[in-house]
Amino acid sequence: NAGVTQTPKFRVLKTGQSMTLLCAQDMNHEYMYWYRQDPGMGLRLIHYSVGEGTTAKGEVPDGYNVSRLKKQNFLLGLESAAPSQTSVYFCASSYGLMSTEAFFGQGTRLTVV
Amino acid sequence: GENVEQHPSTLSVQEGDSAVIKCTYSDSASNYFPWYKQELGKGPQLIIDIRSNVGEKKDQRIAVTLNKTAKHFSLHITETQPEDSAVYFCAASWEAGNMLTFGGGTRLMVKP
Repeated sequence: NAGVTQTPKFRVLKTGQSMTLLCAQDMNHEYMYWYRQDPGMGLRLIHYSVGEGTTAKGEVPDGYNVSRLKKQNFLLGLESAAPSQTSVYFCASSYGLMSTEAFFGQGTRLTVV
Repeated sequence: GENVEQHPSTLSVQEGDSAVIKCTYSDSASNYFPWYKQELGKGPQLIIDIRSNVGEKKDQRIAVTLNKTAKHFSLHITETQPEDSAVYFCAASWEAGNMLTFGGGTRLMVKP
């Protein structure tokens, strides 16, 4: 029972480099989300998707892009990484709206130097 | 938009004591309030939630209370155990469509 799987788990980038974080869920959930977690600031929503082929901006979308070409996958891209994007990134999925339980992946620790 | 404040940011208790974490929210339209527990190196996991039509909910050693008039809700853990040590997040959302807004988190340490 994999649930929500994120790859990679750790990554170090140089300023200006690009990368893609992959999130995969095997629960047939419609909704998927990308959060970033910074000390003392809780979890902040970057982008989310309410179904295959859809994406929407969250609270802190600048500097990130997302795609949901397949229902089970949600990709988060950084086109030109900046030190301010150093954070722990969590993907989550839920059956419906966030008024139902959200299942989180184990996180990706990204450092931009 | 919604703003959720969580206190305290760190809490240390002796095993067997009770722990209380408090949150306030700003949007009176919010009507769903979950609590998540995050263990070291893992993603957050839902432990209990409450909806606006309920004032209190219990599940074994944990309980959540909601005061909609004052716009605050609290997590109560009784008979704490070392395995309760983790970071706890409160959150709020408007069921009809808004996303969850999380508090800043509370690091709970239970000393044996």
